Amino acid sequence: SAVISQKPSRDICQRGTSLTIQCQVDSQVTMMFWYRQQPGQSLTLIATANQGSEATYESGFVIDKFPISRPNLTFSTLTVSNMSPEDSSIYLCSVSARTGTDTQYFGPGTRLTVL
Amino acid sequence: AQSVTQLDSQVPVFEEAPVELRCNYSSSVSVYLFWYVQYPNQGLQLLLKYLSGSTLVKGINGFEAEFNKSQTSFHLRKPSVHISDTAEYFCAVSQGTNFGNEKLTFGTGTRLTIIP
Repeated sequence: SAVISQKPSRDICQRGTSLTIQCQVDSQVTMMFWYRQQPGQSLTLIATANQGSEATYESGFVIDKFPISRPNLTFSTLTVSNMSPEDSSIYLCSVSARTGTDTQYFGPGTRLTVL
Repeated sequence: AQSVTQLDSQVPVFEEAPVELRCNYSSSVSVYLFWYVQYPNQGLQLLLKYLSGSTLVKGINGFEAEFNKSQTSFHLRKPSVHISDTAEYFCAVSQGTNFGNEKLTFGTGTRLTIIP
């Protein structure tokens, strides 16, 4: 399995500001995913990020609000822009370790609180 | 499109008792099925997965799950739980890469609480 780290682990931010979350993997992976887990709820996929192409966003999520970068096969960032209290969530990145299995491995998450 | 239903939002169980966490899925095509566990203030850890083959799948920490295609279920079981099993458990489904889509759809989760 892949080892995934995220920075920061948690943050408290003011309304209207932006936060960039980093996701680092210890091996090269093709597909990386960003999820949001709102308080007490399940995971919702924000977007899929493949290296060398634009991220693919799910319904209800837009690039202006959640810009994503994927500069290489081991790293990705998610920015939460112009934050409001409704953005308070845990943000998790995951990677698809091997094609053909759909198995995803998750990072520890970034706990974001927006005041 | 696929969906996942976890019927029980909370399950309290006495220590050393057996437990079953229920998961039903809906899909018009073949699926891959997963169980993940989330310990307090941590990310998700893969417990086990069903891709093909034997319908009884064994995972980590003594958990197992059985794929039942006719009932579209993938229930998670453990014969004797421990305090350390207290966590949130998520069932997830994907369409399988044969369909060019590796996205996972998660259920709403079941909070397992072990009572000493």
